[in-house]
Amino acid sequence: NAGVTQTPKFQVLKTGQSMTLQCAQDMNHNSMYWYRQDPGMGLRLIYYSASEGTTDKGEVPNGYNVSRLNKREFSLRLESAAPSQTSVYFCASSENRGNEKLFFGSGTQLSVL
Amino acid sequence: DQQVKQNSPSLSVQEGRISILNCDYTNSMFDYFLWYKKYPAEGPTFLISISSIKDKNEDGRFTVFLNKSAKHLSLHIVPSQPGDSAVYFCAARIDFGNEKLTFGTGTRLTIIP
Repeated sequence: NAGVTQTPKFQVLKTGQSMTLQCAQDMNHNSMYWYRQDPGMGLRLIYYSASEGTTDKGEVPNGYNVSRLNKREFSLRLESAAPSQTSVYFCASSENRGNEKLFFGSGTQLSVL
Repeated sequence: DQQVKQNSPSLSVQEGRISILNCDYTNSMFDYFLWYKKYPAEGPTFLISISSIKDKNEDGRFTVFLNKSAKHLSLHIVPSQPGDSAVYFCAARIDFGNEKLTFGTGTRLTIIP
């Protein structure tokens, strides 16, 4: 049972480049999330999807877009990367909306030069 | 404005002794609190939680205490084991159905054999 799988694990971009972070879960969870972790900041919610077909902004959505492709997959897109988006990105899922027990992927280390 | 604070970035404890990790919060609307544990190169994993209607929750070697009047929670690990060496995040939620968990900045716990 893989749980939550994120790709890629590492990525280096130049300012202005675009990329998509992929996330898939195999636990049949309804809700999925994207967080970023920065030094001294804790984890901050970027976007979430309470259920298939819905997405909503979190605490720090600017510069990102998301797609809930199906129940399993939730992708995060950076249209024009900026150095301020250098961070570790975590995808997570939970059984249902409001279920605080999140299952996290292993993260993507993104550097924007 | 950091609503959930973990003021100790790091903590070292002798194996077999008690580890106490602390977390303070400022928002009196928080009604549910959680602890997550994170190993290097992995995503956080859920450890234990507590509702604001309780003051203690125990799960094996892990106990979380909540002091609402002081807006303070703590995680006790007894006895501490080498495998407990990790970064511990506390997190808080305002109400059921609210996807936004507010995370602290984390405390790195090192268990000394």
